[in-house]
Amino acid sequence: DIVLTQSPALAVSLGQRATISCRASQSVSTSSYNLMHWYQQKPGEQPKLLIYDASNLASGIPVRFSGSGSGTDFTLTINPVQADDIATYYCQQSRELPLTFGSGTKLEIK
Amino acid sequence: EVQLVESGGGLVQPGRSLKLSCAASGFTFSNYGMAWVRQTPTKGLEWVASISTGGGNTYYRDSVKGRFTISRDNAKNTQYLQMDSLRSEDTATYYCARHLYGSYFDYWGQGVMVTVSS
Repeated sequence: DIVLTQSPALAVSLGQRATISCRASQSVSTSSYNLMHWYQQKPGEQPKLLIYDASNLASGIPVRFSGSGSGTDFTLTINPVQADDIATYYCQQSRELPLTFGSGTKLEIK
Repeated sequence: EVQLVESGGGLVQPGRSLKLSCAASGFTFSNYGMAWVRQTPTKGLEWVASISTGGGNTYYRDSVKGRFTISRDNAKNTQYLQMDSLRSEDTATYYCARHLYGSYFDYWGQGVMVTVSS
């Protein structure tokens, strides 16, 4: 299985940039796609798709969210961070089955 | 508006069965792959199973193969997860999700709780 590693938590100040990383145990990229996706989950709610294929913004997601990366290293950036962004962020790979998720990074306000 | 509404969760004894349903609306159900994803505080998010648009192709994580069956009824805009021989480690919140291109999950239901305990 492809293991996705995320830091447990990240503290940032409102209005600043948050950079959340996800490292895969093997490449999740093909010649055409970077098969890494990002979700936001607030307490008591279902996950919400933010970014697909590493850098594509999902429908209705604010442009302060962006994604980058290829191979094994991927980043979700939130700039500027707003109070409503307090949540846990998960990466997910679809390069091979079983589809796997990272353990999540909890975004906290400094 | 896309809506996915799960039902059928509850408390069940180990070794028994439970069937989850997911009613979809707001999109052409038969055009999309679907999936079940579960979440626990200890294991986090886990993909469970996926099904193709027509139901002819199904995929499972190893730990549920042979015990869980994913299916769909396109006439009823509903997908199902039949869970047999349930174990305590199947205790989780189960989410129904729309699964695009066998890749990412673009819409999720609110989740349904399944507790396996004697």
